[in-house]
Amino acid sequence: EPEVTQTPSHQVTQMGQEVILRCVPISNHLYFYWYRQILGQKVEFLVSFYNNEISEKSEIFDDQFSVERPDGSNFTLKIRSTKLEDSAMYFCASSPRANYGYTFGSGTRLTVV
Amino acid sequence: AQSVTQPDIHITVSEGASLELRCNYSYGATPYLFWYVQSPGQGLQLLLKYFSGDTLVQGIKGFEAEFKRSQSSFNLRKPSVHWSDAAEYFCAASGGGADGLTFGKGTHLIIQP
Repeated sequence: EPEVTQTPSHQVTQMGQEVILRCVPISNHLYFYWYRQILGQKVEFLVSFYNNEISEKSEIFDDQFSVERPDGSNFTLKIRSTKLEDSAMYFCASSPRANYGYTFGSGTRLTVV
Repeated sequence: AQSVTQPDIHITVSEGASLELRCNYSYGATPYLFWYVQSPGQGLQLLLKYFSGDTLVQGIKGFEAEFKRSQSSFNLRKPSVHWSDAAEYFCAASGGGADGLTFGKGTHLIIQP
């Protein structure tokens, strides 16, 4: 069964550093998403991406965050200057079309120290 | 504001017993509804989804959910739980299009022998 692949599985970074989280969505999917889950809290929507541009973003997705699809397979989330409160599990998801179920990756656990 | 409520933080069920996990939503129109399961350290796996039509939806692993418009609910059920069903269960909703999912806070399911 096709999977969404996320790398790395765990990343530790110092506060103020830039991080890039990587995702390879399912190959024929057209909609891409990033979510985060702070430990012990619910999963929160960050951003959706379609046709090489952001479709929707939440209040969490401020100027410190950016997304990119640099080639035909990768989908990245960049945090420019990490803060302690950015520590969370970040999930990538993809969907073949709108109004359809999403397939989630296994997540990247980001720890900011 | 759009919201999804899972009123039960923890539920303990004996193996072989039936299960019902509650989910209520608050949306301007009938949203698209989903149930996801998350095992410890894992990503989110889609159990089932409701878009329209038959209000009783069948999913994987023997789960089903019933959409009740009058109660704004989408409760998850299973007639007989197995120890492997122990996990965190999330109800989620979307307004459609490229909208992100709004998740509930999750229900932690504990299976006792």
